[in-house]
Amino acid sequence: DGGITQSPKYLFRKEGQNVTLSCEQNLNHDAMYWYRQDPGQGLRLIYYSQIVNDFQKGDIAEGYSVSREKKESFPLTVTSAQKNPTAFYLCASSSHRESASGNTIYFGEGSWLTVV
Amino acid sequence: QKEVEQDPGPLSVPEGAIVSLNCTYSNSAFQYFMWYRQYSRKGPELLMYTYSSGNKEDGRFTAQVDKSSKYISLFIRDSQPSDSATYLCAMSEGYSSASKIIFGSGTRLSIRP
Repeated sequence: DGGITQSPKYLFRKEGQNVTLSCEQNLNHDAMYWYRQDPGQGLRLIYYSQIVNDFQKGDIAEGYSVSREKKESFPLTVTSAQKNPTAFYLCASSSHRESASGNTIYFGEGSWLTVV
Repeated sequence: QKEVEQDPGPLSVPEGAIVSLNCTYSNSAFQYFMWYRQYSRKGPELLMYTYSSGNKEDGRFTAQVDKSSKYISLFIRDSQPSDSATYLCAMSEGYSSASKIIFGSGTRLSIRP
């Protein structure tokens, strides 16, 4: 089945550690996104990539880094510079191609990151 | 003022009731409107997608867009306990994926058996 796979589902990070969240899609989508979701604040865009080897900062990029070496993969690293990393992280993708659902984006199941 | 406003709820209704979920927005350039359903600890899933104004129906769900009032709604008929989730509205100006999609903060819905 086509979809977006995020791993791990749950991750604990110690203070000062970098952690990397994996995101893989087999939908052949060009664009991929990382969002952070906190209670009562909805989805906030961290980084997005429209094409391989290119990515742009979103609204809250500080303390995060990404890479897009392959079309299918868009890992997110939460660095020690991110002061409040405990949150639910969502990876998403969308297609440039015209479809019945336009420019809608599709989400993975999310990763919970907790700082201990 | 946020670009997209959505009442966070929680909204609690009895099973079988008609549910109305709403979002208002300030950017008159928005043309594409979406509703996502998110169960607890899961990723959002696309429910409905509409372009410009008008209604769109899919089973028990109806999405309505009123661009003159900058107001969108999602109606759920014959609500079921399985409809209990957080509902997110989303919208964008353009078609291409380069166009930024703005999400509402979500409304928590609970259907009482």
